[in-house]
Amino acid sequence: GQSLEQPSEVTAVEGAIVQINCTYQTSGFYGLSWYQQHDGGAPTFLSYNALDGLEETGRFSSFLSRSDSYGYLLLQELQMKDSASYFCAVKVNRDDKIIFGKGTRLHILP
Amino acid sequence: DAGITQSPRYKITETGRQVTLMCHQTWSHSYMFWYRQDLGHGLRLIYYSAAADITDKGEVPDGYVVSRSKTENFPLTLESATRSQTSVYFCASSSVVLAGFSETQYFGPGTRLLVL
Repeated sequence: GQSLEQPSEVTAVEGAIVQINCTYQTSGFYGLSWYQQHDGGAPTFLSYNALDGLEETGRFSSFLSRSDSYGYLLLQELQMKDSASYFCAVKVNRDDKIIFGKGTRLHILP
Repeated sequence: DAGITQSPRYKITETGRQVTLMCHQTWSHSYMFWYRQDLGHGLRLIYYSAAADITDKGEVPDGYVVSRSKTENFPLTLESATRSQTSVYFCASSSVVLAGFSETQYFGPGTRLLVL
């Protein structure tokens, strides 16, 4: 089967840095995406890694290691508005579906 | 700039009734997707479509029917609703790139369905 594992919850302090990990086991791999979802809202795209290494977009960075089937999302200078759920997702094939993880709920303390 | 819209936003129905959830996108994206989101399960793909008149099953297709006669519309029908289909339903779309469909999916606001 196909599976993506990520922690169910993470807690961090405002202004700090937090890392959300994702390990995957899938039949194919084209790339790893990250999505953010606020309560009651729709998922929104954050980042995508197709190759090993770090991609930076403002306060958010995403890392991929294909050899380890592992990636993470790094959030810096945490703000209260970053309180949300974060999903990793793997594009398995060229024209096929994306598999989503179950999500990590990020709690931010003032 | 409507983007991707879903209707209705909220729906209450009874077991056994047929329900259709609508999804409309204004970007002319080739790919469209239907997901359901339940606590503890994340997002699970129900059906997806690569283009008009081309649809394929996802992870949890049983009890659902889709059609795509026009690129911009992708309705999802629950033929005979069951309580287990109470969920939040998201429609999404993405464009075509050289490597297939884009890694960026744009999600609609969701439909909250309650089956009594």
